[in-house]
Amino acid sequence: QQPVQSPQAVILREGEDAVINCSSSKALYSVHWYRQKHGEAPVFLMILLKGGEQKGHEKISASFNEKKQQSSLYLTASQLSYSGTYFCGTDPYNFNKFYFGSGTKLNVKP
Amino acid sequence: NAGVMQNPRHLVRRRGQEARLRCSPMKGHSHVYWYRQLPEEGLKFMVYLQKENIIDESGMPKERFSAEFPKEGPSILRIQQVVRGDSAAYFCASSPRGTMNTEAFFGQGTRLTVV
Repeated sequence: QQPVQSPQAVILREGEDAVINCSSSKALYSVHWYRQKHGEAPVFLMILLKGGEQKGHEKISASFNEKKQQSSLYLTASQLSYSGTYFCGTDPYNFNKFYFGSGTKLNVKP
Repeated sequence: NAGVMQNPRHLVRRRGQEARLRCSPMKGHSHVYWYRQLPEEGLKFMVYLQKENIIDESGMPKERFSAEFPKEGPSILRIQQVVRGDSAAYFCASSPRGTMNTEAFFGQGTRLTVV
């Protein structure tokens, strides 16, 4: 039920790009991406729906490959504010609840 | 429109006591989710509720844990006879229609410490 995220951790310099992957063993109806900073609540980034197109949020975008049951989050020209832990959430049974991956810790350094 | 409100933010309980965690969803949101997060780990689904109904509690431990979302008032996550292993951050999230095709908004969490 729980999606698998990779990599577990990424260290970047400001301005570099990163890709975070999320895969599921179950068919997916939607994928959610959240970012959580230490000690804070997860903050919604975007949702990708089955049959929908790639989404974007400033320099953060994501894709959803339904056949491969995968989603990828793309962070372009990373900024210090991008640091945090990124979680994907999937709704594998179309039951209006979602399960989170274990997270990818992103550290952007000056 | 205030966000999802959780209280208390921090809660310390001795082993064997009861912990009551409250979550007030955003206005107009009738779907509430509870998640548990251990340090440096992901968010583990616990329970999904709609007003007056438990939709899915498959992530809840069978004993000592219960949740409710009454017609009036906040959602309550109750942990009886707490043990050290219950120490964690508990987050609730709310959404207007269920998370299938809409985002969920998270509260700031309640950090439970069992001593």
